[in-house]
Amino acid sequence: AQSVTQLDSQVPVFEEAPVELRCNYSSSVSVYLFWYVQYPNQGLQLLLKYLSGSTLVKGINGFEAEFNKSQTSFHLRKPSVHISDTAEYFCAVSTKAAGNKLTFGGGTRVLVKP
Amino acid sequence: NAGVTQTPKFRILKIGQSMTLQCAQDMNHNYMYWYRQDPGMGLKLIYYSVGAGITDKGEVPNGYNVSRSTTEDFPLRLELAAPSQTSVYFCASSYDAGVRAEAFFGQGTRLTVV
Repeated sequence: AQSVTQLDSQVPVFEEAPVELRCNYSSSVSVYLFWYVQYPNQGLQLLLKYLSGSTLVKGINGFEAEFNKSQTSFHLRKPSVHISDTAEYFCAVSTKAAGNKLTFGGGTRVLVKP
Repeated sequence: NAGVTQTPKFRILKIGQSMTLQCAQDMNHNYMYWYRQDPGMGLKLIYYSVGAGITDKGEVPNGYNVSRSTTEDFPLRLELAAPSQTSVYFCASSYDAGVRAEAFFGQGTRLTVV
C-alpha cells in the first residue's frame, strides 16, 4: 500500500523568505508524485508533478520540488514567498499498482506574514 | 472552460436525511473520483470510476453510493446522513492514468449534518 506523510501541519513564514514543505512517501513500486495547492474556499490545483526523468521538477508560481528516491521524499520549495502563497499544500502519490489513484498527505498550511 | 462543476456548494442535512451531490465534467475525462476532506486528514477517496458504467470503492465508501451512467456525470448519494459525514466533498476527474494522470478538481461541497 502507498502512503504519504507531510511532516509539518503548519508553516508560518515571512514574506520574501524561502519556504520548504516536506513530503515523504511509502511505496514498494515506482511512483508518480504530485503537489497540489488549495487556496481558501477553492478546489485543489496542480502545482507540479514528477512522473519520470529529471529529479528536479519546476512548477507554477515559482515552486519546485526534488524527487529523492533513496530518501523517499518529494520536498517542495520556493525561494521567496508572497502573501498570495498563503494556502494549504498537499503532497500526493499514485502508482500503477494502485490503479493510479491518488493518495494524499494530510496537508501543510502555509501562512505568509508581511 | 467549465472543467469540473459541483452542486450544491453548501448544504445542511438533518440526521437520517438523504441527498445527492452532483458532479459534472466537460473535458471528456474517463476517470472520475469523489473525495472527502476533513481537517488535518488530507483527502480520502470515497469512490471512483474509470468509465461510464464502471465504479469501484475507495478508502472510505461506507454510507455512500455512486453511479456513472454517462462520461460526464458522477453523482454521489448519501443515504441516512450521519454527523460523521460532515465534511467537504470534492469531485475530480482525469483523462487517463500514467503521464496524463493530472486530476482536475471541482470547487467542493461543504456538507453539515446536524
